[in-house]
Amino acid sequence: RKEVEQDPGPFNVPEGATVAFNCTYSNSASQSFFWYRQDCRKEPKLLMSVYSSGNEDGRFTAQLNRASQYISLLIRDSKLSDSATYLCVVSTSGTYKYIFGTGTRLKVLA
Amino acid sequence: DGGITQSPKYLFRKEGQNVTLSCEQNLNHDAMYWYRQDPGQGLRLIYYSQIVNDFQKGDIAEGYSVSREKKESFPLTVTSAQKNPTAFYLCASSITTGGNQPQHFGDGTRLSIL
Repeated sequence: RKEVEQDPGPFNVPEGATVAFNCTYSNSASQSFFWYRQDCRKEPKLLMSVYSSGNEDGRFTAQLNRASQYISLLIRDSKLSDSATYLCVVSTSGTYKYIFGTGTRLKVLA
Repeated sequence: DGGITQSPKYLFRKEGQNVTLSCEQNLNHDAMYWYRQDPGQGLRLIYYSQIVNDFQKGDIAEGYSVSREKKESFPLTVTSAQKNPTAFYLCASSITTGGNQPQHFGDGTRLSIL
């Protein structure tokens, strides 16, 4: 089983739609979680850290479910500019290692 | 503006040649990393450094070497021993390697074989 798993997609959604992605992780000792956005042939850019109580940044909401070992990203009112690949990253405090998922591709259609 | 600068953006390697990828950061971060990304795959860790004059192998260090003589700089050399070097190389930094701080990435170097 992969340490971090994501549905590769693509998720094709119309503008204005709400879309959600999940990311599952296998190490129960994982303590830090992040969502990154990566555009085609570009570097990953930090979208948001994921906190235990869940957190929101504008149209984006991140949630953590420790019992089921997954994190989620919800995007409301999708824009064409949200089209990208969304990477889930998991790390364990006190270690150097960040484990990257292979990403979920989102296409927002006009 | 603070950030991470990678150069060159594109690099071509001839058979048997060593090439060096530059990574410089002005974020005052202690930790720096090198990753490789192949199409359709997640990022794989090549080397990381927690502090100046110290670095450790990641998951795929064979055929690569690094140095960390200055806090700001973490160059990666792709040696002729790396038989499949064609990939997108990403340098990242974080405040520490504790894992609870996010990483920030440079804009990458695309390496191809001539």
